[in-house]
Amino acid sequence: QKEVEQDPGPLSVPEGAIVSLNCTYSNSAFQYFMWYRQYSRKGPELLMYTYSSGNKEDGRFTAQVDKSSKYISLFIRDSQPSDSATYLCAMKRGNQGGKLIFGQGTELSVKP
Amino acid sequence: GAVVSQHPSRVICKSGTSVKIECRSLDFQATTMFWYRQFPKKSLMLMATSNEGSKATYEQGVEKDKFLINHASLTLSTLTVTSAHPEDSSFYICSAKLAGVFNEQFFGPGTRLTVL
Repeated sequence: QKEVEQDPGPLSVPEGAIVSLNCTYSNSAFQYFMWYRQYSRKGPELLMYTYSSGNKEDGRFTAQVDKSSKYISLFIRDSQPSDSATYLCAMKRGNQGGKLIFGQGTELSVKP
Repeated sequence: GAVVSQHPSRVICKSGTSVKIECRSLDFQATTMFWYRQFPKKSLMLMATSNEGSKATYEQGVEKDKFLINHASLTLSTLTVTSAHPEDSSFYICSAKLAGVFNEQFFGPGTRLTVL
């Protein structure tokens, strides 16, 4: 079993739709949860991070962490064609070590 | 935000040759850099952690003699793929850790290696 599972998609939605991206994980030691966006042939860029459980909102993006279920989500409201990219979840145990464990990534396409 | 560059962005080489990839933190000093490998439609797999002035720490299954890492300064780490073979063809991405509360990693744009 992989430590982090993420549906690779592809996921196609119309412009303006609400997008829900999810990851599950098996290691209860993970405490920091991140979402990265990666455009084709580019390196990942950090969208949001959350420590422990709870919600975090930043503009059109909301990240949720449910540690009891080992489940994290990223919601994108009013999706735009420019949101078309691969979204990777990532996790790490502590803050000092820095080793990130990535999900496979979900390929999202927002159609105009 | 902090910027990380990689050079070259794309390289094509013949089997048996060695290829060096540079990773630079442009506007901050990074005591720790990371090297990842990514296959098409696959996740990023950590290859090694590079600490300035010391030997790199390799992940299980990564051949340290094949993937040589040097972190000679606080802004530069290099990955050399020695005696490259077609199975080494991949997208190599580095990241640099910015010291702080979160110790965020900033990623480079990646290097596409194709070994013929």
